[in-house]
Amino acid sequence: QKEVEQDPGPLSVPEGAIVSLNCTYSNSAFQYFMWYRQYSRKGPELLMYTYSSGNKEDGRFTAQVDKSSKYISLFIRDSQPSDSATYLCAMAGAGSYQLTFGKGTKLSVIP
Amino acid sequence: SQTIHQWPATLVQPVGSPLSLECTVEGTSNPNLYWYRQAAGRGLQLLFYSVGIGQISSEVPQNLSASRPQDRQFILSSKKLLLSDSGFYLCAWSVWGPPGTPSTDTQYFGPGTRLTVL
Repeated sequence: QKEVEQDPGPLSVPEGAIVSLNCTYSNSAFQYFMWYRQYSRKGPELLMYTYSSGNKEDGRFTAQVDKSSKYISLFIRDSQPSDSATYLCAMAGAGSYQLTFGKGTKLSVIP
Repeated sequence: SQTIHQWPATLVQPVGSPLSLECTVEGTSNPNLYWYRQAAGRGLQLLFYSVGIGQISSEVPQNLSASRPQDRQFILSSKKLLLSDSGFYLCAWSVWGPPGTPSTDTQYFGPGTRLTVL
């Protein structure tokens, strides 16, 4: 079983839709959870991080963590064409300098 | 605010040639520094990390090496490139310290260098 599973998509939604992106993980030692957005041919940009179960909101973005189920989600409300990118989940806190990444979900928001 | 630079942005090199990629960070002191490689369909792989000048740790055996000659400068090198070295190389930084806290575990990435070895 891979440490982090993330559906690669691609995911295509109409503008204004609510987007749900998800990752599951197997290592219960992970304590910190991050979402990065990566535009084509660019470096990943940190969107959100959280370190506790529950929801964290930042503008149109909500990060949700359920440690009991080992499941994290990123919700995007009122999606825009500028949200079209690959979204990477990342996890840390297991005592390693290395972040453990999902392989990313490619999102396209159609005008 | 902190800024991270990488150059060159794009590089095409023949097999067997040397490599030098540079990363610099502005606006912070004594950061942890990281080199990752992102290959198509394979996610991000940590290659090296550094917690201080001259302190380099390797995560994956390969024909690459890293150096940190100054506090905010991180260099990735190779003496002879292989075809398998092609990929997108990313430098990242975090607040200095051991792993296990939100600040030291939150990593910020640079714009990347796309390397093609022919």
